[in-house]
Amino acid sequence: SQQGEEDPQALSIQEGENATMNCSYKTSINNLQWYRQNSGRGLVHLILIRSNEREKHSGRLRVTLDTSKKSSSLLITASRAADTASYFCATDEWGNEKLTFGTGTRLTIIP
Amino acid sequence: GAGVSQSPRYKVAKRGQDVALRCDPISGHVSLFWYQQALGQGPEFLTYFQNEAQLDKSGLPSDRFFAERPEGSVSTLKIQRTQQEDSAVYLCASSPHSIGGKEETQYFGPGTRLLVL
Repeated sequence: SQQGEEDPQALSIQEGENATMNCSYKTSINNLQWYRQNSGRGLVHLILIRSNEREKHSGRLRVTLDTSKKSSSLLITASRAADTASYFCATDEWGNEKLTFGTGTRLTIIP
Repeated sequence: GAGVSQSPRYKVAKRGQDVALRCDPISGHVSLFWYQQALGQGPEFLTYFQNEAQLDKSGLPSDRFFAERPEGSVSTLKIQRTQQEDSAVYLCASSPHSIGGKEETQYFGPGTRLLVL
């Protein structure tokens, strides 16, 4: 079963704008990760945030984690056409490496 | 070729046929995972290996699904008597450390797209 829900399900923005996606989950977690998936391709790991962290940056990516609300957000700044993809959050629990994925946000960047 | 590879990339099977999907993890990776991704959905966990030991198979949908990793590297996911509802992308992932290790990132292969007619 799906652990979480991404919001929105689909997002279209102009190139250069910022894109924000949200993820909610249900159980206590060890880590939360964000992955990108281009159409018909495998998943590419973007960033991992641990349960004791609140914010993390990597290049144009900024991830926040609020464990009290069981939610996370992914911000992509200065979007590019190449950012067009589906984005998934995934969580794992202490002592258990398996990932539980959300339903994904389909992001379209309009050139 | 440092990434996870999977074969075949595409498989069309007639209902009732058996299929075998192969995963070559990144060399030296201890953990190996199989996920099933239905169209428009996120991946769902099927099973997990630590070296050759299958530690968790709670996600396998039925006893028609069987996975093995006999030498602790290459893994095969076998589906017997395929049904139309088995149509999905099957993703394999590997990671360097076992449970309790510090590195939890999973590296995914391109997937095998299975279509059962």
